[in-house]
Amino acid sequence: GAGVSQSPRYKVAKRGQDVALRCDPISGHVSLFWYQQALGQGPEFLTYFQNEAQLDKSGLPSDRFFAERPEGSVSTLKIQRTQQEDSAVYLCASSLSGRDSNQPQHFGDGTRLSIL
Amino acid sequence: AQKITQTQPGMFVQEKEAVTLDCTYDTSDPSYGLFWYKQPSSGEMIFLIYQGSYDQQNATEGRYSLNFQKARKSANLVISASQLGDSAMYFCAMYNFNKFYFGSGTKLNVKP
Repeated sequence: GAGVSQSPRYKVAKRGQDVALRCDPISGHVSLFWYQQALGQGPEFLTYFQNEAQLDKSGLPSDRFFAERPEGSVSTLKIQRTQQEDSAVYLCASSLSGRDSNQPQHFGDGTRLSIL
Repeated sequence: AQKITQTQPGMFVQEKEAVTLDCTYDTSDPSYGLFWYKQPSSGEMIFLIYQGSYDQQNATEGRYSLNFQKARKSANLVISASQLGDSAMYFCAMYNFNKFYFGSGTKLNVKP
């Protein structure tokens, strides 16, 4: 497909389990971003990749959150020992270049994570 | 510190009328980008319009225009001739220092 693809669309996990969320960006897009969106709120920045390099992870809420993009394309956001406050929609976005502030981000449909 | 402020949690507009959604931002960097996104109830984020900090003219895209007042640090979205399909959440965002900062959003309801 031509857009950003995220999987799974929905994920339910028990508290304490580990989860992995996948993002397949638009082909050729250099920059990839992960966001966390709580219900009724705007997306909150988690981390940013330029190709395979994770240039900014300042938004990751704890060391239970880990993201990677080993080949500069698909990215995985992993959450270890999930807690109820991790319940949110996780959005992935990609853009052609991260250095130019005029590049819009293209978003996937998100993964809705529910922790029981 | 709050980078993007949207002061209208909810707005109503009559179909076919124009509506303005407010957005103010805060940055000390002279180079930044301002964006508006639409998020329908289905959840996808749809890019609407972009304004660069050095752009001299206000951006327009079809029925969307951005009222950019740099000195006031405001970037209001104007939607002309509202349609029922415009009912959604609208987010203002700023790209600055390799990050996107989003506001808390405005929920727009278009009444028939």
